[in-house]
Amino acid sequence: QKEVEQNSGPLSVPEGAIASLNCTYSDRGSQSFFWYRQYSGKSPELIMFIYSNGDKEDGRFTAQLNKASQYVSLLIRDSQPSDSATYLCAVNDYKLSFGAGTTVTVRA
Amino acid sequence: DAGVIQSPRHEVTEMGQEVTLRCKPISGHDYLFWYRQTMMRGLELLIYFNNNVPIDDSGMPEDRFSAKMPNASFSTLKIQPSEPRDSAVYFCASKQDGGDRTDTQYFGPGTRLTVL
Repeated sequence: QKEVEQNSGPLSVPEGAIASLNCTYSDRGSQSFFWYRQYSGKSPELIMFIYSNGDKEDGRFTAQLNKASQYVSLLIRDSQPSDSATYLCAVNDYKLSFGAGTTVTVRA
Repeated sequence: DAGVIQSPRHEVTEMGQEVTLRCKPISGHDYLFWYRQTMMRGLELLIYFNNNVPIDDSGMPEDRFSAKMPNASFSTLKIQPSEPRDSAVYFCASKQDGGDRTDTQYFGPGTRLTVL
């Protein structure tokens, strides 16, 4: 089993809708979790991190963490065409273990 | 701040040749990471350094790969001899250890390597 699993996608959503991305991890001792966005041909860039159970909001993005279920998600509200990218979930233990990524396409 | 700098941005070489990828981390960052990204395997950590010392090289695929960090502002990843299956995008990333579990890694633009 891979350390970090993401729903495979691709995910296509209409403009203005909510995009929901899911991620599970295998190491119950993992402490912090990151969501990176990667545009085609570019490097990953951090969107947000979370380390406490519950929700964390930053603009149109909300990360949700449930350590008991070993589950972390990312919601993108009011999706825009500029949100079209691959979203990488990562689990931190001084080194990041990345999921395979979910490609999101926002249809105008 | 210039961010993480990588060179070259693109490299095309023939099988059997030596390839050297270079990275300059963000000034003041004490961790440096080398990643490889392919469609098949995603983003994989190859090796990381702390204060110029290699800490974990378990991701280095085989002896053909080697990495060095002679000082705080420079690192190299070398492949000798290169093979077509080494074709990938290689990213360098750095971070500052603030003792915070939410330390953020900053990625360079990557080097796209093609081995013919």
